[in-house]
Amino acid sequence: GAVVSQHPSRVICKSGTSVKIECRSLDFQATTMFWYRQFPKKSLMLMATSNEGSKATYEQGVEKDKFLINHASLTLSTLTVTSAHPEDSSFYICSANRGQGYEQYFGPGTRLTVT
Amino acid sequence: AQSVTQLDSQVPVFEEAPVELRCNYSSSVSVYLFWYVQYPNQGLQLLLKYLSGSTLVESINGFEAEFNKSQTSFHLRKPSVHISDTAEYFCAVSDANFGNEKLTFGTGTRLTIIP
Repeated sequence: GAVVSQHPSRVICKSGTSVKIECRSLDFQATTMFWYRQFPKKSLMLMATSNEGSKATYEQGVEKDKFLINHASLTLSTLTVTSAHPEDSSFYICSANRGQGYEQYFGPGTRLTVT
Repeated sequence: AQSVTQLDSQVPVFEEAPVELRCNYSSSVSVYLFWYVQYPNQGLQLLLKYLSGSTLVESINGFEAEFNKSQTSFHLRKPSVHISDTAEYFCAVSDANFGNEKLTFGTGTRLTIIP
């Protein structure tokens, strides 16, 4: 099956700093990548959908200036949490597919802790 | 908009016993339904899906789920579980018009197999 990796797997940063999370499709070209956020004992919530070479589409309630998404190539998307605060602490998961209608393949997630 | 309810957050089951993980959804449009499994320290993997046709769908490792439109349910079952089935299971739904895009997830059920 297709593999999606995320780096780092966990990160701790100080309040007010920015942190970048990478999502890579290792053995296929990802036309679309998705970013989810998961709170403890809560479901995964879609934050945004990004297509290679175009601006990300954010879900309602997600601050696009705070959660910067870049999908610069067919194998890499990045999520940058800017000016992080403790309430941004969460588990961030990305997924990727080859195009609309194809299966989404999920990364293992990144646990962000903001102190 | 869709929503998914997984009432059981944790399900302990003895090895070789049967199990049912419940999933109910609500939607005003036709839906596709999915079950994902997340093993420890790994990303979500698609277990099985219902798109159309037969309401009973099966996975390669013995799980099955039945789409019941009248009860808006998609419960996951296995007649005899193994230790290796220990994982978190997520039910998800998408708008059939969008295919596999924009997945809405339930809160997950942690299945623990007791030797």
